[in-house]
Amino acid sequence: EAQVTQNPRYLITVTGKKLTVTCSQNMNHEYMSWYRQDPGLGLRQIYYSMNVEVTDKGDVPEGYKVSRKEKRNFPLILESPSPNQTSLYFCASSLWGSQETQYFGPGTRLLVL
Amino acid sequence: DQQVKQNSPSLSVQEGRISILNCDYTNSMFDYFLWYKKYPAEGPTFLISISSIKDKNEDGRFTVFLNKSAKHLSLHIVPSQPGDSAVYFCAALQGAQKLVFGQGTRLTINP
Repeated sequence: EAQVTQNPRYLITVTGKKLTVTCSQNMNHEYMSWYRQDPGLGLRQIYYSMNVEVTDKGDVPEGYKVSRKEKRNFPLILESPSPNQTSLYFCASSLWGSQETQYFGPGTRLLVL
Repeated sequence: DQQVKQNSPSLSVQEGRISILNCDYTNSMFDYFLWYKKYPAEGPTFLISISSIKDKNEDGRFTVFLNKSAKHLSLHIVPSQPGDSAVYFCAALQGAQKLVFGQGTRLTINP
């Protein structure tokens, strides 16, 4: 089954404790992206990757890091989480040139205390 | 600076009637416009799109209209069904890389 998976689905952590949210897709997609969803703001892009070893900032990259060492994986790293990073996070992927039809993962709900 | 705006946080429609969801944008460089549907505890799923060179695209019960002069697009669902109850996000594609989303509209279809 074609899918985008994220882990964990739910996470409660404390300020400053490094964490990684994993994202994996099995569709051989070149393009992958991370979004955060906040009430009243919709989905905002954090980082995206056009292929292996190629990443770039989205609209709200501060406080986040990403890496793309393999085509299928695109982890999101929070080196020192803060409460304003409490949010619902989505990973997405698509074929290059078909970003209009991105496939989204189920989401990761993060609470930073 | 919200480039894509959905000014109605929620909309309630009777089953069988037409649902109209609206979206406004400010950037005239957007190439594609899309609607995504999102159920609770799931990621958004692509619903329908329209190129900036068209003014209408239809797919079954779903039609998207684009008015470039007004920088406005709308999604029409006819007839509305209970399974259409979800949050709908309008989005616009800028170049080949960036998808910009609106705030979302929660649609409730009443039996």
